[in-house]
Amino acid sequence: QSALTQPASVSGSPGQSITISCTRTSSDVGGYKFVSWYQQHPSKAPKLMIYHVSNRPSGVSNRFSGSKSGNTASLTISGLQAEDEADYYCSSYTNGLHVFGTGTKVTVL
Amino acid sequence: EVQLVESGGGLVQPGGSLRLSCAASGFTFRSYWMHWVRQVPGKGLVWVSRINSDGSSTTYTDSVKGRFTISRDNAKNTLDLQMNSLRAEDTAVYYCAREGTYCTSTSCYEKYFENWGQGTLVTVSS
Repeated sequence: QSALTQPASVSGSPGQSITISCTRTSSDVGGYKFVSWYQQHPSKAPKLMIYHVSNRPSGVSNRFSGSKSGNTASLTISGLQAEDEADYYCSSYTNGLHVFGTGTKVTVL
Repeated sequence: EVQLVESGGGLVQPGGSLRLSCAASGFTFRSYWMHWVRQVPGKGLVWVSRINSDGSSTTYTDSVKGRFTISRDNAKNTLDLQMNSLRAEDTAVYYCAREGTYCTSTSCYEKYFENWGQGTLVTVSS
């Protein structure tokens, strides 16, 4: 299963916007519509933030948005808040298998 | 409210077996595909296995094929993971997750993990 590469860390000041990238290493295009994003605070279960590239579940702040260009999906957090400090994982589905990204630690300065 | 509660984790010796369970409530369990995802403490998420809504189809990540078996009991609203021939590298927190799915008049959305349990820790060590 192809890997999904994310930056190890991203940081920003309160109120700023940050973007986390998620890049596939394979050339399979079809499955990449199934990109989702998860937030995980320390010692907590992951929480769904974005599904199908850019759809936000009910209850998730509209400060979180997703997009995709070519082989790279992105999660943008606008108006960064202290509570956004967490680990973030992208995930994709291709050829019957799910894969997660390497994870990104977001730090609010 | 959707609730997923894992149990069955613990300390087991290499080569041993363990059975994890996930009790589901707050939704029509028999209508949803279910998954197991694991996470080595301090490391990233790794998808392990999934089972379709009626239990007739299962898929596994390569590293657990032939050792782990996912199953479900739709009458009892439970999801299980039987883990055999355990290795040190199987040490992780194991989460059960419900796959999200819904359709509009024009599109269907699926293949994402909509709800997660709190996890159960499996430690494989002598």
